[in-house]
Amino acid sequence: EAGVAQSPRYKIIEKRQSVAFWCNPISGHATLYWYQQILGQGPKLLIQFQNNGVVDDSQLPKDRFSAERLKGVDSTLKIQPAKLEDSAVYLCASTPGIWVSTDTQYFGPGTRLTVL
Amino acid sequence: DAKTTQPPSMDCAEGRAANLPCNHSTISGNEYVYWYRQIHSQGPQYIIHGLKNNETNEMASLIITEDRKSSTLILPHATLRDTAVYYCIATLDDKIIFGKGTRLHILP
Repeated sequence: EAGVAQSPRYKIIEKRQSVAFWCNPISGHATLYWYQQILGQGPKLLIQFQNNGVVDDSQLPKDRFSAERLKGVDSTLKIQPAKLEDSAVYLCASTPGIWVSTDTQYFGPGTRLTVL
Repeated sequence: DAKTTQPPSMDCAEGRAANLPCNHSTISGNEYVYWYRQIHSQGPQYIIHGLKNNETNEMASLIITEDRKSSTLILPHATLRDTAVYYCIATLDDKIIFGKGTRLHILP
């Protein structure tokens, strides 16, 4: 079974530029998550999708971050414009079910963003 | 979700059992205890979870105290590949709130 795929693996941009990350979850997984992990901290949930609908985006800085999951499969996370404090690893994860408390999350390798 | 408390770091000799403690004194009756780990430059990886009973799988064992206020993750024979940050999470639903975890160093 293929895992969660993310691209690019690394990205370096100047502040105020735009950047987009892509995630392809495990086939058939209904729920998809985006996390931000700043160096030395645990991952922080940014947004959760169930199929192509947003369930929770309470921690997403909506003035500069946006995300979509078209057709309930792949997802993109965009930052426009980027700030220095957005330097982090952006992780995508997926789970098979919907609101299943015992579902485990499967994580991708992450995209390391550096904002200069 | 209940708050969890873990030591920031631990050492364990290679080949010995690694016992990682977690305190979750405010856990509610229907919150599960999950353990994930994150090896350097990788995404977190699920290890094990439980509600009340002790659990064992091919990776680890999870011991939950009878009052459910704390738990211990046991890696029975630690290897250098077990060097990672280990996260203990208490959650009611499918949301995971990660703390800073325990950085486990396996010593050769």
